Amino acid sequence: KAGVTQTPRYLIKTRGQQVTLSCSPISGHRSVSWYQQTPGQGLQFLFEYFSETQRNKGNFPGRFSGRQFSNSRSEMNVSTLELGDSALYLCASSNPASTNEKLFFGSGTQLSVL
Amino acid sequence: QKEVEQNSGPLSVPEGAIASLNCTYSDRGSQSFFWYRQYSGKSPELIMFIYSNGDKEDGRFTAQLNKASQYVSLLIRDSQPSDSATYLCAVTMDTGRRALTFGSGTRLQVQP
Repeated sequence: KAGVTQTPRYLIKTRGQQVTLSCSPISGHRSVSWYQQTPGQGLQFLFEYFSETQRNKGNFPGRFSGRQFSNSRSEMNVSTLELGDSALYLCASSNPASTNEKLFFGSGTQLSVL
Repeated sequence: QKEVEQNSGPLSVPEGAIASLNCTYSDRGSQSFFWYRQYSGKSPELIMFIYSNGDKEDGRFTAQLNKASQYVSLLIRDSQPSDSATYLCAVTMDTGRRALTFGSGTRLQVQP
């Protein structure tokens, strides 16, 4: 069974640009959540999607948005990039039918904003 | 005050010893508690989860939860050099949701 796939693996952008990151969950998993990881702030929850609907949202500005498609694949978008957006963006999928809420993380997209 | 607090370490233990990792959380409404292990340059991997007060054992790992004290810990018995990693404590208020609040992690070093 393939794991969580995130693309691209690395990305370099400049301030003011926008970026779209992609996540393909494990087959059969319908919940996809996104996290930002930085050395200073650690892992922070961005949002969670289930059945194409955003179920939860973290404390991030509106520049951060996401969506989920009918095949459970998800994208997140960051507009008007700032230097502080440089981070590892992790996607995690899970099977809501499971009782143990196990999150399976992808390898992440390392975003550098110059 | 951060919602989930962990000592950043490094916590250094000799091979074969018990490593004790601690975590406190501020929200009394927290329902579910998780320990993730993250090797350098890798993504987090769930190793334990616990919902009820008391101990939960899985192999060499034991998670302990005390909701009254808002305290959760992870014990690793017979520590191995391969256990050297950062251990992240995470909590969520809403069972069934995937909005986890993570601590900043404790770096564990197991000395051969």
